[in-house]
Amino acid sequence: ETGVTQSPTHLIKTRGQQVTLRCSSQSGHNTVSWYQQALGQGPQFIFQYYREEENGRGNFPPRFSGLQFPNYSSELNVNALELDDSALYLCASSSRGETQYFGPGTRLLVL
Amino acid sequence: GQQLNQSPQSMFIQEGEDVSMNCTSSSIFNTWLWYKQDPGEGPVLLIALYKAGELTSNGRLTAQFGITRKDSFLNISASIPSDVGIYFCAGQGPGTYKYIFGTGTRLKVLA
Repeated sequence: ETGVTQSPTHLIKTRGQQVTLRCSSQSGHNTVSWYQQALGQGPQFIFQYYREEENGRGNFPPRFSGLQFPNYSSELNVNALELDDSALYLCASSSRGETQYFGPGTRLLVL
Repeated sequence: GQQLNQSPQSMFIQEGEDVSMNCTSSSIFNTWLWYKQDPGEGPVLLIALYKAGELTSNGRLTAQFGITRKDSFLNISASIPSDVGIYFCAGQGPGTYKYIFGTGTRLKVLA
């Protein structure tokens, strides 16, 4: 059984740029949730994807968008990057409604 | 964004001591999860709780789902240096697949 993987591990971007982060879910899981974790804070829910559709969204603007693919992997896209977008982005996979397992995260720095 | 209240915020303890921390919410939850996060890594699931009053152990860790469904507790017995890290609770409310995380308890163990 493979765990949740994320890529890249680290990323540096400048303000106004766009970024795409990737997540492969744990085998047997069909749901992916994305979280933003600022330094010293707990993870904040961005959105969740189930069967390729968005299934709930947190308090994040539309420039945060995502996709889920038929193999249940997922992408998080952030447009028009701002300095405050600097954070650890975490992906968690689960079978719908069940316990979530996290990947190692992608650390994004916006300059 | 919304976060659950965790207490204490941080604690220093001697190796071998027992540790208690808790998490409270203003609303009821159906599921409580406890995670441990090491620096620069994703949260690792420790214990999952699904029923009010449930008491579950995982080695030296014991967690309880409060009977009011608005709180949860985590105890670590006979702490060791590798228990160092940040412990997060996460709750899932009725009718939602979204998890809300706590503010974290930072644990430091003195050998």
